[in-house]
Amino acid sequence: IAGITQAPTSQILAAGRRMTLRCTQDMRHNAMYWYRQDLGLGLRLIHYSNTAGTTGKGEVPDGYSVSRANTDDFPLTLASAVPSQTSVYFCASSPRTGNSPLHFGNGTRLTVT
Amino acid sequence: AQSVTQLGSHVSVSEGALVLLRCNYSSSVPPYLFWYVQYPNQGLQLLLKYTSAATLVKGINGFEAEFKKSETSFHLTKPSAHMSDAAEYFCAVSSNDYKLSFGAGTTVTVRA
Repeated sequence: IAGITQAPTSQILAAGRRMTLRCTQDMRHNAMYWYRQDLGLGLRLIHYSNTAGTTGKGEVPDGYSVSRANTDDFPLTLASAVPSQTSVYFCASSPRTGNSPLHFGNGTRLTVT
Repeated sequence: AQSVTQLGSHVSVSEGALVLLRCNYSSSVPPYLFWYVQYPNQGLQLLLKYTSAATLVKGINGFEAEFKKSETSFHLTKPSAHMSDAAEYFCAVSSNDYKLSFGAGTTVTVRA
């Protein structure tokens, strides 16, 4: 089934550790996005990529980095995790045409202790 | 820049009653508007989107939304709530840069 795969589904991480959240899509979408979801704040954009080889900062980029080496993969890295990065992280993609909606993965629940 | 305000973080309705979720947006350009639904432990799924072809937009599961430019609103309704409608609902807006801005979400509970 076409869609977005995120891994891991959940993770408990010690503060200061490095962590990469994986995201893969098989829809050949141009654009990919990382959002974090926090209670009462909705979803906030961390980083995005309009096409392979390019990335951009979203609303809350500090402490996170991304890369887009190819169309399918868009990993999110926390270089040195802090407790405020405890959240649910969603990867999404879109064809990036007109008002095409985003397709979301099922999320990664990250707890930083 | 665009932003979204969802009025009411929680809505409780009786089964069979009207569901009304409010969304107001601000955008410097004609917006693209969306409603998404999120069931527990899942990602967001598209309910409906505003395409500018019609101000009343019909989506899945009996939901619809009306775009009112004069009120900068895009409220979501369903005439008769079902138990399966219990979920969190997000209004979102994007402009020419294709990046979505989401509201804080409204959790719907349905009473039997």
